Amino acid sequence: GAGVSQSPRYKVAKRGQDVALRCDPISGHVSLFWYQQALGQGPEFLTYFQNEAQLDKSGLPSDRFFAERPEGSVSTLKIQRTQQEDSAVYLCASRPDRGRRTEAFFGQGTRLTVV
Amino acid sequence: AQRVTQPEKLLSVFKGAPVELKCNYSYSGSPELFWYVQYSRQRLQLLLRHISRESIKGFTADLNKGETSFHLKKPFAQEEDSAMYYCALTPPGTYKYIFGTGTRLKVLA
Repeated sequence: GAGVSQSPRYKVAKRGQDVALRCDPISGHVSLFWYQQALGQGPEFLTYFQNEAQLDKSGLPSDRFFAERPEGSVSTLKIQRTQQEDSAVYLCASRPDRGRRTEAFFGQGTRLTVV
Repeated sequence: AQRVTQPEKLLSVFKGAPVELKCNYSYSGSPELFWYVQYSRQRLQLLLRHISRESIKGFTADLNKGETSFHLKKPFAQEEDSAMYYCALTPPGTYKYIFGTGTRLKVLA
């Protein structure tokens, strides 16, 4: 494909609503990451998948955040009962392998605004 | 705690002037270090990584383990270098990036 694809590009949610953000990684990429980027900050790690296995979820800020990648390709980040502090750009990235040195390819991000 | 510090939020230079974007990290092991760049309305993309010792678009970065720094340099800035630059590291034993807060580089005509 053309690269990592994320949808929707923009999402406005009322406080308390549940949202689901989708990531289509580059076909065949083993590793998939989610990052949260607040305004004026660098991306902050949320969670990491190797194929369908979620190997690291240490960055998820609360149990309202949940991510899955059931078939080792598409991933969904779900946020339940959204709060204003969840407003941020959510970035997805994929890598072709498990290496620490290989390039990660980022999506355009989903800008979530909680009102 | 592992941390990446980019002390300048904004750096403005004139076209043709040298550029140095600072990056310091706090980690005592041997992390992998990277520079990522985001041009206006584009996605974040890799600029260079320390292991490759490469020069991309005229940029270089030298890892100084003694000073725990990985500054990005270019001898002659071009207008098309204007972008947001992020320094990042991957600690040993993990796969995730830890990013700095970024420096916006503006190259003035």
